[in-house]
Amino acid sequence: GESVGLHLPTLSVQEGDNSIINCAYSNSASDYFIWYKQESGKGPQFIIDIRSNMDKRQGQRVTVLLNKTVKHLSLQIAATQPGDSAVYFCAEVNYGQNFVFGPGTRLSVLP
Amino acid sequence: DGGITQSPKYLFRKEGQNVTLSCEQNLNHDAMYWYRQDPGQGLRLIYYSQIVNDFQKGDIAEGYSVSREKKESFPLTVTSAQKNPTAFYLCASSIRILYNEQFFGPGTRLTVL
Repeated sequence: GESVGLHLPTLSVQEGDNSIINCAYSNSASDYFIWYKQESGKGPQFIIDIRSNMDKRQGQRVTVLLNKTVKHLSLQIAATQPGDSAVYFCAEVNYGQNFVFGPGTRLSVLP
Repeated sequence: DGGITQSPKYLFRKEGQNVTLSCEQNLNHDAMYWYRQDPGQGLRLIYYSQIVNDFQKGDIAEGYSVSREKKESFPLTVTSAQKNPTAFYLCASSIRILYNEQFFGPGTRLTVL
């Protein structure tokens, strides 16, 4: 596979446990936030997004929380499965101006 | 099926040669992007295009060139002026420039020998 994220922070969780992946963003005026999942050797895939006027959004097994006070974004994965092993990274969007990706966190699911 | 394709998946070139990476999308998206990904780093924007016949430099455009002659296609040329071209290159598209979620292709791994 690709040597993406050799030096990324790693989160290891037991299969079936919940995972929480964190992201600090830089611009308090960012309008929109996205979480992507990137498996080895593949392009990033959209997981879930949240607008800046929201605090929480839920998807299937995933929840994104936005804390604008401390400029913090988190992705919660319920009942983590082996197929969830990947690099996860957040992106912050200033509409029409820039789209900034974080460095990513590697999630490793232990059997 | 709609999506973004990149070819080839793996590409090798000799130092001093130019090489062109292909990116095609059939999502009818106006905006397209090229990113470079290195180990331990986030995606870095090389070039982006808002519409046909228009493109803008991103954060690391030096040593790269692009064209946007068709809405569906946004090829990236890595020139011999790029000092460290070995990397994983990702193409993406979105409905509007720097607004909506970006959809990514599978990537091309370029290795300079």
